[in-house]
This record gives sequence, structure tokens and C-alpha cells, in this order.
Amino acid sequence: DAKTTQPNSMESNEEEPVHLPCNHSTISGTDYIHWYRQLPSQGPEYVIHGLTSNVNNRMASLAIAEDRKSSTLILHRATLRDAAVYYCILREIIQGAQKLVFGQGTRLTINP
Amino acid sequence: SQTIHQWPATLVQPVGSPLSLECTVEGTSNPNLYWYRQAAGRGLQLLFYSVGIGQISSEVPQNLSASRPQDRQFILSSKKLLLSDSGFYLCAWSAGIDQPQHFGDGTRLSIL
Repeated sequence: DAKTTQPNSMESNEEEPVHLPCNHSTISGTDYIHWYRQLPSQGPEYVIHGLTSNVNNRMASLAIAEDRKSSTLILHRATLRDAAVYYCILREIIQGAQKLVFGQGTRLTINP
Repeated sequence: SQTIHQWPATLVQPVGSPLSLECTVEGTSNPNLYWYRQAAGRGLQLLFYSVGIGQISSEVPQNLSASRPQDRQFILSSKKLLLSDSGFYLCAWSAGIDQPQHFGDGTRLSIL
């Protein structure tokens, strides 16, 4: 399984930007980088994904390094509702389906 | 819009009893379906995936089985539960290999 490395925890303040880093030095050319987040006692929620170019959506931005060995999830203006565990995942393909390998993720705390 | 339903939300079962967890998806056709388990304080582990009716693939050997009797129905079963089967069980669907996965609210299973 392709591996990612994330800090165990991060802390930020409400209404400030948050940059969540992820290292994936063994990424292959076809691996998409996915980000999900999980609130307590809920299923994970899709945040964003990308392959090579930076991506933006209504929730966040994804900045991907030129060599693709690292990426950063950017929350432009954090709110208390953004407090969650954030997972950086390399999507693999197995027999026509996706394989998402969830690691420990980064627990993000937002201070009011 | 598409929705995913899982039930029950919580379940307490004695060791050795059978198990049946059901997941249904609405608003889409021929989804890829997934069962995950999350042990306390851990990341999600992919258990089973399905790309079509009657097509089930297992990621890890275990005491559980899965079935897909209808296009949008995915069932997780066990004939005799073990203590180690406790956990948070999550069902997910995706429209294809390049689409994000969408998770249900999960079933918290406790084995006594």
C-alpha cells in the first residue's frame, strides 16, 4: 500500500488559514492524492483530490509539489466546524474499484 | 441527489451471535460499494468492495462476509461474532474509480 506521513496533530485559531502537510515520497505516477476528514462518531467526508495540478473547491485548496512527493491541504479561513481528523490518502486501483488506505491522520484543533 | 443509508446506528451483540448490517444507496446506478471497519482510535480498514451485483472482493481474511443482492444494497454478515469484531462499521459508495467515496453514518458494534 502506498504510504503517506502526516503530523499527528495541529492547532490553529478561528478565522485564520490552516496548512495541513502530507508527505508521500513513494507516490507513483497514477496515484491520486485524496483528502478526507472525519468528525467524531461520523463517517469520513470527502474534501478534495488531485493528481498533479493544484485544485480548489468550495471547501479547501490542494497544493501539490512539483515532484508530487508532498502536498498541502489549505483551509483558507478555519471555523470551529473544521475541527476534525484529516486524512491524506493515495488512491490506488484494485480490480476496477478504489482502494483508500487510511492512516492515523492529523487531528486539527481550532481555537475560538 | 444521492444518499446512503446504514442501519442500525448502534448494536450490542453477544459473542457467538450472528450479524447483519445493511447499507443502501439512493439516486445512483451501478455504484462501487465498500465496507470499512474502524477500531477505537485507529484509521479505517477496507474490508470488502464490490463493483457490481454479486461481485464481492475481500481485502483481509476475517470472520465476516459481504453480499450485494441488489445494485444499491450491500450487506455485511457474520455467522458467529467474536470479541475482536467490535468497532465502527462504515459503508461507502463511489460513482467510479475517479470519483470520491461518500460514507454513511456508520454502525457502532459492541460485542459482549
